Amino acid sequence: NAGVTQTPKFRILKIGQSMTLQCTQDMNHNYMYWYRQDPGMGLKLIYYSVGAGITDKGEVPNGYNVSRSTTEDFPLRLELAAPSQTSVYFCASSPDRTGVREQYFGPGTRLTVT
Amino acid sequence: TQLLEQSPQFLSIQEGENLTVYCNSSSVFSSLQWYRQEPGEGPVLLVTVVTGGEVKKLKRLTFQFGDARKDSSLHITAAQPGDTGLYLCAGLNSGGSNYKLTFGKGTLLTVNP
Repeated sequence: NAGVTQTPKFRILKIGQSMTLQCTQDMNHNYMYWYRQDPGMGLKLIYYSVGAGITDKGEVPNGYNVSRSTTEDFPLRLELAAPSQTSVYFCASSPDRTGVREQYFGPGTRLTVT
Repeated sequence: TQLLEQSPQFLSIQEGENLTVYCNSSSVFSSLQWYRQEPGEGPVLLVTVVTGGEVKKLKRLTFQFGDARKDSSLHITAAQPGDTGLYLCAGLNSGGSNYKLTFGKGTLLTVNP
């Protein structure tokens, strides 16, 4: 199993540009998450999904959109990039185990907006 | 909003020393996890604790869940340079939404040879 894969690994965007961060998992997990990690700030939840066709906002959803058309894929869309979106983005998936949400993370996408 | 406070934020020690990292909250969690993250990579799950008072060992690492399920600790014995990394604790709410974890800000550990 490849686990959770993310592309691209690095990206530089100009202010106002758009892009999609790709995330795929091959573990048949129903739960998937997008986090951003800023230095000294831990992981902030952007969006999550409990299954195909179902998504919901996390702590910091403004400026982002997601879709979940299949169990495997959970892309994150940035419509109008802003410098505040410079961060490292992690996608994670989780098996459906009651009372536990163990996260399996991808390698991350390092995004710079200038 | 549930908060998980980790301490210390930074820790730099010599190889062979022992250390303890703490994760505290005023909220009750149904489970708590510890992750280690190395530079340029995603966090990797180390352990999950689910029962108050539970102790789990992973080689030189010992994890404990508080009796009231509000806090946890990670103890490393005879630290090695390979233990260097960011240690994150994360808790799952015992009430309300059980889909989302609350993460602490992490403890950055450096073990010098």
